[in-house]
Order: sequence, then C-alpha cells, then structure tokens
Amino acid sequence: QKEVEQNSGPLSVPEGAIASLNCTYSDRGSQSFFWYRQYSGKSPELIMFIYSNGDKEDGRFTAQLNKASQYVSLLIRDSQPSDSATYLCAVLPPGGSRLTFGEGTQLTVNP
Amino acid sequence: DTAVSQTPKYLVTQMGNDKSIKCEQNLGHDTMYWYKQDSKKFLKIMFSYNNKELIINETVPNRFSPKSPDKAHLNLHINSLELGDSAVYFCASSQDPSYEKLFFGSGTQLSVL
Repeated sequence: QKEVEQNSGPLSVPEGAIASLNCTYSDRGSQSFFWYRQYSGKSPELIMFIYSNGDKEDGRFTAQLNKASQYVSLLIRDSQPSDSATYLCAVLPPGGSRLTFGEGTQLTVNP
Repeated sequence: DTAVSQTPKYLVTQMGNDKSIKCEQNLGHDTMYWYKQDSKKFLKIMFSYNNKELIINETVPNRFSPKSPDKAHLNLHINSLELGDSAVYFCASSQDPSYEKLFFGSGTQLSVL
C-alpha cells in the first residue's frame, strides 16, 4: 500500500464548479497534512495545510481532514481556468522528519 | 529576491558524466532538501540537511552525494550519470525538520542521453 494515495486524474471541471481532490494515507499516526499546487513546468507551492480534524477554509480553498478515515481532501470553489494544475497531497508521518507526497491529481478547469 | 534558487535550470549530458546542481536559500531556514520528481510527477525525498548535518538519506545510489558548505547552501553532485537519473530535481528549504512547510526552488531538468 502506498503511503499517500491520490487519484491521478485527470479531473476535469467546468469553470465556476467545485473541484474536489482526495487523498488517503496509510500511517494512522500522521500529524500534519499539506496541499501543494504545481503548474506545468513549475515548482510546487504550498496552498493549504491542516493539522486538526474538520474543515479549514482559505478563500476559495477548503481543506478537510478526517483522521479516523485517514482521509484528507481539498475543495476548490468557483473553479477558475487558472486553477488548472497538478495538486499534490503531502503527509508528515509520526516523528515528523520526512514529508511524503502523493503522485498528484491533475486538474483541468474548462472555460 | 528569489527565496530558493538552484542552478542550472536545464542540464543535458551524456551517460557516464559527472554533474553538479547548486542550491541556495535566503530565507534563513535551517533545513534544506533534495527531491526528485519523475515523469509521473511523483515527488520523492532524497536527502535532508539540518544546519549542515545530514538527517535524511533515503535509498539513493551512492553516486549521488549532497554537500552543504553552510546552512544556506546544499549542492548535489552526481557521478556516472545513468539514463534513469533523468528527472526534475528540486531543492527545498523549511524552518526546521518537523515544520515541513517547504519552499521549493525552480527545479533542474536533468536529461541523460
């Protein structure tokens, strides 16, 4: 089982819709969870992080964490073509020394 | 000012050659990393240094040797390059090893022919 799993996509949504990106992780003791956005040919950039169960909102982005289900998601409301990118889920396992990334979900927002 | 800068951006070389990638950060962070991203976008840690000390050394061929002359610099030297080494290599930094909000450099696209 992979440590961090994401659907590779591609995920395609129309402009203005809600894009839902999902991630599961294998280590139940994991403490911290991050979402990075990576545009084609560019480096990953941190867009959200979440440490506690529940929802965390930042503008059009909402991160959701359910530790019991070992599941973290990212919702993008009012999706824009500029949101088209690969979204990488990253998990910090117990001990906190090595951030583990999923393989990313490619999102395309169609005008 | 670029926070994490790495050079070169592109590196095209022949099998068997030795090459280096340089990285510098001006964020004052204590921890620096090298990540490798393959063609499927999978980002995997290779090395991590905290205040010039090696703290993570993943299962990486010993042809790869990181060097940290000071906490603002982390270079990657690769000996006897192989076709499978072709990838994008990202340098990154963070405040400390357990606070992994990573700031990435722009990446080095390595192509081994």
